[in-house]
Amino acid sequence: RKEVEQDPGPFNVPEGATVAFNCTYSNSASQSFFWYRQDCRKEPKLLMSVYSSGNEDGRFTAQLNRASQYISLLIRDSKLSDSATYLCVVNPSGSARQLTFGSGTQLTVLP
Amino acid sequence: DGGITQSPKYLFRKEGQNVTLSCEQNLNHDAMYWYRQDPGQGLRLIYYSQIVNDFQKGDIAEGYSVSREKKESFPLTVTSAQKNPTAFYLCASRPSGEYSPLHFGNGTRLTVT
Repeated sequence: RKEVEQDPGPFNVPEGATVAFNCTYSNSASQSFFWYRQDCRKEPKLLMSVYSSGNEDGRFTAQLNRASQYISLLIRDSKLSDSATYLCVVNPSGSARQLTFGSGTQLTVLP
Repeated sequence: DGGITQSPKYLFRKEGQNVTLSCEQNLNHDAMYWYRQDPGQGLRLIYYSQIVNDFQKGDIAEGYSVSREKKESFPLTVTSAQKNPTAFYLCASRPSGEYSPLHFGNGTRLTVT
């Protein structure tokens, strides 16, 4: 089993739709979690950190489910500009060495 | 504005040549990293450095070398020993604090023919 797994997609959704991605992780001791957005042929950019209680930033909501070992990202009212690949990142221990990236989920928002 | 600068953006080399990728940051971050990204794959750690004059191998260090003589700079050399060097290379840094997120440079796309 991979340490961090994401459904690669692609997810094709119409503008205005709500879409959710999950990311599962294998190390139950994992301590910190992040969602990054990566546009085609560009660098990843931090979208949001994921906190135990769940957190929201505008149209984006991140949640953590420790019991089932997954994090989720919900995007409401999708915009064309949300089209990108979404990477989840898990850090089991806080160690620089152990930051682990998922392969990414590709989202295309259609007009 | 603070940030991480990688240069060049695109680099073309012939097989058998060493090449050095530049990474400079003015965020005053202690830790710096080099990752490699191949199509359809997650980022893989090549080398990282937590303080000046110290660095550690990541998961795929073979065929690569680094130096960290200044806090701001963490250049990566791709040597001729790297069997499949064509890839997208990303430099990152992060502040002190165990659970801080990474900040990335804009990447260098290396093509070796």
